[in-house]
Amino acid sequence: AQKVTQAQTEISVVEKEDVTLDCVYETRDTTYYLFWYKQPPSGELVFLIRRNSFDEQNEISGRYSWNFQKSTSSFNFTITASQVVDSAVYFCALMGRNAGNMLTFGGGTRLMVKP
Amino acid sequence: GAGVSQSPSNKVTEKGKDVELRCDPISGHTALYWYRQSLGQGLEFLIYFQGNSAPDKSGLPSDRFSAERTGGSVSTLTIQRTQQEDSAVYLCASSKGEGGGEAFFGQGTRLTVV
Repeated sequence: AQKVTQAQTEISVVEKEDVTLDCVYETRDTTYYLFWYKQPPSGELVFLIRRNSFDEQNEISGRYSWNFQKSTSSFNFTITASQVVDSAVYFCALMGRNAGNMLTFGGGTRLMVKP
Repeated sequence: GAGVSQSPSNKVTEKGKDVELRCDPISGHTALYWYRQSLGQGLEFLIYFQGNSAPDKSGLPSDRFSAERTGGSVSTLTIQRTQQEDSAVYLCASSKGEGGGEAFFGQGTRLTVV
């Protein structure tokens, strides 16, 4: 069985602060894929990033960065110098190869960035 | 198509009526997913298709819910005898279905049962 846990249900920060969203996963697969999605107030889910289990290199894209650590089964997401437009619900997801292409989501973290 | 298309975007129905929700995936995507999201809540998995078959139907909340996919493309989610607790946004996503391809989501169908 696959499971994704996002322990932080809601985070509030002031603009320009850095914020890290936690994601912990469980899977018996040795090959798997991890994802982050953003759901702004408009409601549409927007794909942000995909990592496979063999690539633990951290990734940076502008103000966004992701830290993948297999040793702790975590795939955390950091927003540097947060902006009001970053306010959204962020979902972490897992797809295990032996689970077919079943995509399992965490419960989401609501991020509120205040001006 | 360019993206995942869902119709209708909004549906208001009376309790007890049947509804059909449609999803047009991205052309060539073999995997298709249905999720449900109640107001302010996370994504609840309903069903997943690989091609026309559904390896995992475990998320369907009751036997009032059914889904099919034809021609490896369009999928229809049917809810019979709707109840007020069925009110939610129903989201469809598709992916290439291999190598952990990312899933792309449609805009969703907002279902309101009155």
